[in-house]
Amino acid sequence: RKEVEQDPGPFNVPEGATVAFNCTYSNSASQSFFWYRQDCRKEPKLLMSVYSSGNEDGRFTAQLNRASQYISLLIRDSKLSDSATYLCVVTTASGTYKYIFGTGTRLKVLA
Amino acid sequence: GAGVSQTPSNKVTEKGKYVELRCDPISGHTALYWYRQSLGQGPEFLIYFQGTGAADDSGLPNDRFFAVRPEGSVSTLKIQRTERGDSAVYLCASSPPGDSNQPQHFGDGTRLSIL
Repeated sequence: RKEVEQDPGPFNVPEGATVAFNCTYSNSASQSFFWYRQDCRKEPKLLMSVYSSGNEDGRFTAQLNRASQYISLLIRDSKLSDSATYLCVVTTASGTYKYIFGTGTRLKVLA
Repeated sequence: GAGVSQTPSNKVTEKGKYVELRCDPISGHTALYWYRQSLGQGPEFLIYFQGTGAADDSGLPNDRFFAVRPEGSVSTLKIQRTERGDSAVYLCASSPPGDSNQPQHFGDGTRLSIL
């Protein structure tokens, strides 16, 4: 079983739709959580950190559920420019802060 | 400001050759990471430097892979006797001093192709 699991998609949604991605992680001692966005043939870019209380940044909302060991990302009012791969990231508790990535979820927003 | 810089952008070489990949982190970032990303997968951790020392090299796949960071800034990932399975995008990331909530900033990567 992978340490961080995501549905690879693709999720094809119309412009203006609301879409949600989940990600599960296996290490209960995981410390920090992030969502990164990766465009085709580009580097991952930080979308948002995920805090225990949940957090929002414009159209994006992230939630963490430590009891069930999953994090989620909600995108409201999808734009064509939101089309990308969304990577779930977890850091270990070992102190090196290395990232453990999911495989990524592909989103295509259609006109 | 300048982000993480990686060179070369692309490298094509023959099986069995030696390659060096360079990473220049964001100024002031003490932590430096190397990851490898294969098609359709998320990046996988290779090695982590805190300053000049390799604090965690548990992700290096075998002894053909080695990395250095002699002055605590620029890092070089070295691959000996390359194999076709080494073909991937090699990503470098850096982060400022602090706790695990400091996000990592990635370079554009080096796309390595072994023929």
